[in-house]
Amino acid sequence: EAGVVQSPRYKIIEKKQPVAFWCNPISGHNTLYWYRQNLGQGPELLIRYENEEAVDDSQLPKDRFSAERLKGVDSTLKIQPAELGDSAVYLCASSLGTGGQAFFGQGTRLTVV
Amino acid sequence: QKEVEQDPGPLSVPEGAIVSLNCTYSNSAFQYFMWYRQYSRKGPELLMYTYSSGNKEDGRFTAQVDKSSKYISLFIRDSQPSDSATYLCAMKGSNDYKLSFGAGTTVTVRA
Repeated sequence: EAGVVQSPRYKIIEKKQPVAFWCNPISGHNTLYWYRQNLGQGPELLIRYENEEAVDDSQLPKDRFSAERLKGVDSTLKIQPAELGDSAVYLCASSLGTGGQAFFGQGTRLTVV
Repeated sequence: QKEVEQDPGPLSVPEGAIVSLNCTYSNSAFQYFMWYRQYSRKGPELLMYTYSSGNKEDGRFTAQVDKSSKYISLFIRDSQPSDSATYLCAMKGSNDYKLSFGAGTTVTVRA
């Protein structure tokens, strides 16, 4: 069975440009998370979905970040415009319900120059 | 002060040594404790999952939780070069969904 799939793996963009990341969770997992991992740090939650509903986006910088999970399966995370401080690894994870163990994708490494 | 503090490392040990990794935390509501392994340029991979206090063993890996001291540990016996990775502790409460992570400890096992 395929794990959590993310694309692209790497992205380099100039500041002020938009960027989008895509995530396909494990089949049947209704809970989806986006985390951001800065260099030398642990992941920090940005947003959590239960099916297609964003039930916690309190840590998402809403002035420039947006996310969607159409049909409760795939999800996209967008940044517009990107800033230098957004350089990080963006991780998607999924679980079978909120109490289930979270499985992570390989992440998208974003570099803003 | 961060909710979860992890010994920063890095650690470099010879093959066959015992690796000891530690985290402390401040939130007494945490009930579930996890250790993730993260290879370079990969996502975190769940290694150990424990509930409340006590020990859990899985092969060469042993996880310990001491809730009275708010302290958790991971021991790797007979370490192998393939164990070289960053190890992240993570924890959450009973009614939580959000994982609180430590910053990670990078381990290198020398052949």
